[in-house]
Amino acid sequence: QVQLVESGGGVVQPGRSLRLSCAASGFTFSSHGMHWVRQAPGKGLEWVAIIWFDGSYKDYADSVKGRFTISRDNSKNTLYLQMNSLRAEDTAVYYCARESLGGYDCVDYWGQGTLVTVSS
Amino acid sequence: DIQMTQSPSSLSASVGDRVTITCRASQSIRSYLNWYQQKPGKAPNLLIYAASSLQSGVPSRFSGSGSGTDFTLTISSLQPEDLATYYCQQSFSTPYTFGQGTKLDIK
Repeated sequence: QVQLVESGGGVVQPGRSLRLSCAASGFTFSSHGMHWVRQAPGKGLEWVAIIWFDGSYKDYADSVKGRFTISRDNSKNTLYLQMNSLRAEDTAVYYCARESLGGYDCVDYWGQGTLVTVSS
Repeated sequence: DIQMTQSPSSLSASVGDRVTITCRASQSIRSYLNWYQQKPGKAPNLLIYAASSLQSGVPSRFSGSGSGTDFTLTISSLQPEDLATYYCQQSFSTPYTFGQGTKLDIK
């Protein structure tokens, strides 16, 4: 069965960096685009970033562009999110999510999420 | 960026009611519209993709319609387990924006 397991969350001071990982299993990771989506406490969903199946295309929400970098290692079935210059408003649960192969770019599987808290 | 606006922001309905949630895009997104259900404390779950296609395993009481800028999610007969927040999302162009969510309570 499809599994996405995020790790790397925690408490970090403003201005510092953190790297999230997402270990994928149960499907051919190298065939799927992948996304990061976040949710601030008590708030709605915010799309963060996308990476194509082969890593050739990446894009970001304006709120994180220039600070966050999405990447993947298809040999390790792992997705990453490097987060630099963190701000209080980056505090959220970060979900790793798999894009379906159906052609409409919807997310069909989600991880359980990892909490990032940016606080001094 | 494409803005997605859902209405209402919250609603309360009784078991067996027909429930409708709407989502409007700030520009045409053709049929690139997805609906997700998020139960308290859980990750979201895909219900509908491509505006009207039911995701495998999702009960048939859920349906979606619309194209262009106006879309609708309908629950034909509300069940207690449908207590959740519902989000629309456009996947026409990045950034793939979400609506602000509709919180559904059971009376």
